[in-house]
This record gives sequence, C-alpha cells and structure tokens, in this order.
Amino acid sequence: EAGVVQSPRYKIIEKKQPVAFWCNPISGHNTLYWYRQNLGQGPELLIRYENEEAVDDSQLPKDRFSAERLKGVDSTLKIQPAELGDSAVYLCASSLGGLAGRDEQFFGPGTRLTVL
Amino acid sequence: GNSVTQMEGPVTLSEEAFLTINCTYTATGYPSLFWYVQYPGEGLQLLLKATKADDKGSNKGFEATYRKETTSFHLEKGSVQVSDSAVYFCALLIKAAGNKLTFGGGTRVLVKP
Repeated sequence: EAGVVQSPRYKIIEKKQPVAFWCNPISGHNTLYWYRQNLGQGPELLIRYENEEAVDDSQLPKDRFSAERLKGVDSTLKIQPAELGDSAVYLCASSLGGLAGRDEQFFGPGTRLTVL
Repeated sequence: GNSVTQMEGPVTLSEEAFLTINCTYTATGYPSLFWYVQYPGEGLQLLLKATKADDKGSNKGFEATYRKETTSFHLEKGSVQVSDSAVYFCALLIKAAGNKLTFGGGTRVLVKP
C-alpha cells in the first residue's frame, strides 16, 4: 500500500514569490493534516481537514497561507508571498478518521522549502 | 495549554548501549502519548504509543510506559544498533482537542559502531 505522497521534495524560491505543495493521502483516509517543521523543532499543525472541510485552521497564517482539499482526497498548501521565515519542512499526514481508535497519523516525507 | 518537553540532543552512544530519552508533558485533558522516529531523509514514523495510564507501548525493542503521576513517557531501549540512529519525537494527542498532535522538539540519537 502506498504511503502519503508529497511533492515536490525540495523547493528553493526567492522571497515574495508564490509556492505550492501537493499531498496525496493514503487511500481511504478521510482526515488530512498539514504540519510545519522548523529546523531543530517538532512539527506544528497548520490545518486539519475532515474530508473536504477544514475543521481546524486556527494555526494557519491566513494572510499568506491558503489550503484546499476540493474533492476530499488530494490537498494543496500555498504560500503567497513567501517570506524568509517560511523556510521549513512542510509535512502532510493522513488518518482514517471517523470512529474512535482510527486516529493514527501517517506522515509523508515532507517538502523542504528554502526561501532566499 | 498542551506541551511536550524532551531532552535535548544529540545523544551519542556506542552500539549495544542502553538508551533513555526523557519526555514529560503538560495537558489539559487526558492525552494519548506517542513516540515518532525520523530516520535520515525519511518522514516521521510511529514507533509506539500508549493511550492510558500505566500502559506500556513497545516496538522494535523500544519501550515507553505512560506515567500519569509523573506526567512522563520516557523511551528506552536495552541495546541500541547503528540503525537506530535517528531523531526521536515525543508527542501527545487529545481527541477532544481535535486530534492535533503536539510534539516535543526532538532528540537526535547517534549510535556509533
């Protein structure tokens, strides 16, 4: 079974440019998460989707970040415009969701963003 | 709020040595506790978990016991291998808080042959 797929794996851009990350969760997983992991730190949740609905986006900097999961499967995370402080690894995770006990999160390999 | 504190690394060990990584937490509610591992160039993988007090999670020779009285979830392995070199993250999750994982800062472990 394929795991969580993310692309690109690496991205280098100049500040003020836009950037987008893509995530394909494990088949059948209803819940999708985007995390940001700064260097030397643990991941921090940006947004959580239940199917196509964003149910927790309280940590998403909405002035420059946006996300979508239009058909409840794939998701994209966008930054526009990027700032130097956005350099980090952006992780996507998915879980079955729904019933209790189906909340184990499976992580993708991440996209390492460098903003110059 | 919820938070996780784990010992800073790097932790450098020789093969077959005993490994302990300390993890303590604060939580508003009753959390489930996890250890994730991140091997070089790979994504986070769940190593083990415990969902209630006194539960012991175990996997690949690693163990951790959920200690509610000390709010701790220390990770241990009796005999490490070079292949255990990785970054280890302690994390908590409270379902009532929306299944958000709260991670510690990670501990890098380097096992030398």
